[in-house]
Amino acid sequence: SAVISQKPSRDICQRGTSLTIQCQVDSQVTMMFWYRQQPGQSLTLIATANQGSEATYESGFVIDKFPISRPNLTFSTLTVSNMSPEDSSIYLCSVGGTGQSYEQYFGPGTRLTVT
Amino acid sequence: AQSVAQPEDQVNVAEGNPLTVKCTYSVSGNPYLFWYVQYPNRGLQFLLKYITGDNLVKGSYGFEAEFNKSQTSFHLKKPSALVSDSALYFCAVRDNTRGSYIPTFGRGTSLIVHP
Repeated sequence: SAVISQKPSRDICQRGTSLTIQCQVDSQVTMMFWYRQQPGQSLTLIATANQGSEATYESGFVIDKFPISRPNLTFSTLTVSNMSPEDSSIYLCSVGGTGQSYEQYFGPGTRLTVT
Repeated sequence: AQSVAQPEDQVNVAEGNPLTVKCTYSVSGNPYLFWYVQYPNRGLQFLLKYITGDNLVKGSYGFEAEFNKSQTSFHLKKPSALVSDSALYFCAVRDNTRGSYIPTFGRGTSLIVHP
């Protein structure tokens, strides 16, 4: 298993600003995943982040809106840019699902409210 | 394509009674199946998985799930519910022939256990 921490745990931001969410893992991992969980809805994958390469974004998500950094094998950041109220969600960092670890492990999430 | 359905938004059960949370799936190949639980203001926690082998899988906190290939189902069960089991439960599926590490999550089922 992996222990994942995220910062901040929650934030209230104004429309038009940006927020950077940090994700720290207690072990080295190849792939890290960023999900969005909107109120009352399931998890939607935003992008997959590999160390040393650009993130791979899912349909409907673009790098200009959700830039991701992956400077090493234990850390990643997701920025939510030019925020609007529609970006209000829980953002989750995740690792796993590869190799012998079929399951994924999730951070506690960042609860973002945009006013 | 892969998909998963959780037909119930909410399941109510009395403490001490057995509980079932339903999940059906669709994949083009053979499935990897997972259950996760999300407690309030927390990230998702892995409960159990089916990869291969015995159709009855046992996991954390006394939960189990039965893989039924003919009915394409993977229902989560527990013989005796606890109030502390009240949480949001997510089923997830991954096609093991797709070569992808990305699962598809269901919409989630809110389990409420009444004292």
